[in-house]
Amino acid sequence: EDQVTQSPEALRLQEGESSSLNCSYTVSGLRGLFWYRQDPGKGPEFLFTLYSAGEEKEKERLKATLTKKESFLHITAPKPEDSATYLCAVQAGDSNYQLIWGAGTKLIIKP
Amino acid sequence: DGGITQSPKYLFRKEGQNVTLSCEQNLNHDAMYWYRQDPGQGLRLIYYSQIVNDFQKGDIAEGYSVSREKKESFPLTVTSAQKNPTAFYLCASKRPGIGRDTQYFGPGTRLTVL
Repeated sequence: EDQVTQSPEALRLQEGESSSLNCSYTVSGLRGLFWYRQDPGKGPEFLFTLYSAGEEKEKERLKATLTKKESFLHITAPKPEDSATYLCAVQAGDSNYQLIWGAGTKLIIKP
Repeated sequence: DGGITQSPKYLFRKEGQNVTLSCEQNLNHDAMYWYRQDPGQGLRLIYYSQIVNDFQKGDIAEGYSVSREKKESFPLTVTSAQKNPTAFYLCASKRPGIGRDTQYFGPGTRLTVL
C-alpha cells in the first residue's frame, strides 16, 4: 500500500537552531514529491517539487532533498516566522494524478 | 492577480441540511480538486476533475457531490448523507501538461455542524 509518513509530529526549536524534517514514503514508482507550508486556518502554500533521487532545491532558509526512500526539509537558522505545519505529498507513477499526503510536522520556532 | 478563491471562509450547517462550498480559479488550470483536512490527518481527496463536464470520485466521496460546468468553477455540495462533515475543506487546481504536477490551493472553508 502506498504510504507517506512524516516525522516528527511536532518540533520545537529556538530561533537560529537548525534542524530537519523527514518525509518517508513507500510508493510504486515515484512521479514527484511535494513540500508545502500551511499556516493555521489557511490553505497550503507550495514550496518545492522534487522528481528524482539526488535532487535538491533551496528557498531562503529551506532546503529540500530527495532519496529513493525519503525526503528531508532542512531549515537553517530558523526565525519565528518559519513556524507553521509542513506537509509532504507524493505522486506515484500509477496514481492517476492523485497525491498521497503525510499528516504534517508542526514546527514552532521560539524567539 | 491570478489565484484560487473559496467562499465562504466559515460555514455553519444544521443537521439534515445540504450546503455548497464555492471554488473559483482564474489561473486557466484544467484540473481541480477538493480535499478534506481533519486534525492530525493528511489531506484526503473527495473529488477531482481533469476537464469540464467530467469528474471522478476520490477516496472519501460518500455524502458529497460536485459539478464542473465551467473551467473556472468547481463547487462542492456537502449533503445530509455525510455524517461527520465538520472539517476544513480545501480546493486546489493544477496546470495542464506533462511534468506540471504541482497543485495550488485556495484559502479553505471551515464547515461546522451545529
